[in-house]
Amino acid sequence: GAVVSQHPSRVICKSGTSVKIECRSLDFQATTMFWYRQFPKKSLMLMATSNEGSKATYEQGVEKDKFLINHASLTLSTLTVTSAHPEDSSFYICSARPLGQDTGELFFGEGSRLTVL
Amino acid sequence: GQNIDQPTEMTATEGAIVQINCTYQTSGFNGLFWYQQHAGEAPTFLSYNVLDGLEEKGRFSSFLSRSKGYSYLLLKELQMKDSASYLCAAVDSNYQLIWGAGTKLIIKP
Repeated sequence: GAVVSQHPSRVICKSGTSVKIECRSLDFQATTMFWYRQFPKKSLMLMATSNEGSKATYEQGVEKDKFLINHASLTLSTLTVTSAHPEDSSFYICSARPLGQDTGELFFGEGSRLTVL
Repeated sequence: GQNIDQPTEMTATEGAIVQINCTYQTSGFNGLFWYQQHAGEAPTFLSYNVLDGLEEKGRFSSFLSRSKGYSYLLLKELQMKDSASYLCAAVDSNYQLIWGAGTKLIIKP
């Protein structure tokens, strides 16, 4: 099956620093990738839709200047949390939809746990 | 290792009831999610169970048995719009989501 890899799986950083999370589709191309955030024992929340070669579409309430998304190729999307603060500590997960697949099935990365001290 | 099992595909009739099962093995357990995903769309949250028992929410109900490592999603009064994939995801001790592969539910008139 299709594989989506996220890196890093865990990251701890100091408040005020920026953190980049990568989402790669390993064996397929994806024009669209989704970024989610999940707080402990809470629902997975869609943050933004990443579109290859164009600007990401952000969900209401998500700061685009805070969460920078770059989808520079058909196999890589990155999420950068800028000037991270403790309230940004969360579990971030991406998913990708294979190019040309009509079913719309999404494949999820393993997730990245961010802890901001 | 950590593992989630759910059927690949199920077929049901409009107006009927269907139960989608999910078994899990995780390092620790902090709850289980069910998500619905329509083709071409991001998954949407359906339910979260952390205690044993049945949680009812309209036409959808979710059940959890922690001792058995088992959950099911029950859909009543099926509608054509319920045709979708249903994802089961368990939360391990590190609060990481362990995802099932999803169950594609096909509703026939």
